[in-house]
Amino acid sequence: QQQVKQSPQSLIVQKGGIPIINCAYENTAFDYFPWYQQFPGKGPALLIAIRPDVSEKKEGRFTISFNKSAKQFSLHIMDSQPGDSATYFCAASTYNFNKFYFGSGTKLNVKP
Amino acid sequence: DGGITQSPKYLFRKEGQNVTLSCEQNLNHDAMYWYRQDPGQGLRLIYYSQIVNDFQKGDIAEGYSVSREKKESFPLTVTSAQKNPTAFYLCASSALEQYFGPGTRLTVT
Repeated sequence: QQQVKQSPQSLIVQKGGIPIINCAYENTAFDYFPWYQQFPGKGPALLIAIRPDVSEKKEGRFTISFNKSAKQFSLHIMDSQPGDSATYFCAASTYNFNKFYFGSGTKLNVKP
Repeated sequence: DGGITQSPKYLFRKEGQNVTLSCEQNLNHDAMYWYRQDPGQGLRLIYYSQIVNDFQKGDIAEGYSVSREKKESFPLTVTSAQKNPTAFYLCASSALEQYFGPGTRLTVT
């Protein structure tokens, strides 16, 4: 059973648009939710992460929204650029960080 | 220069041969992980280790083996028992946040 469900599988937006990627989880023991960005042939890079004690976190053009009651969290990319074209993974972990559970990934294409 | 190194970047082997992928980290992280990624797919956990001389199977451990003799190193052996070994292999480490290495692309023919 997949612990973290991610949607959509792929996403195409125009430059300047705001792509939104959604993730949902079931395990209420999860308390750390990172997002990763992966370019082809490279390892995933940590982008931004959130804990459930806040509902939103911003870092530059990237924002995580977190809804604890719905057990959902999402990534928003403001003013998206062609250079943001990559695959994005959400993940979840418990307090002791011993194991991370990843979503299936979203391939984002930002058109010029 | 802190980080996770994986070598080699590309690896080619004949079917039936065992092959060992290297992973080294100088971040002083206790936990290390191996993931497998197939084209267009997500990350699947092979093995992870939270401390030296101890490791646990992940979701797809069959056909793989690991060792953790040093904190900095977590090599992965892909054995001939692994039915579909061709994939992109990613090593990661964590103290709180998890960081990934650049990956090794293994091709078995």
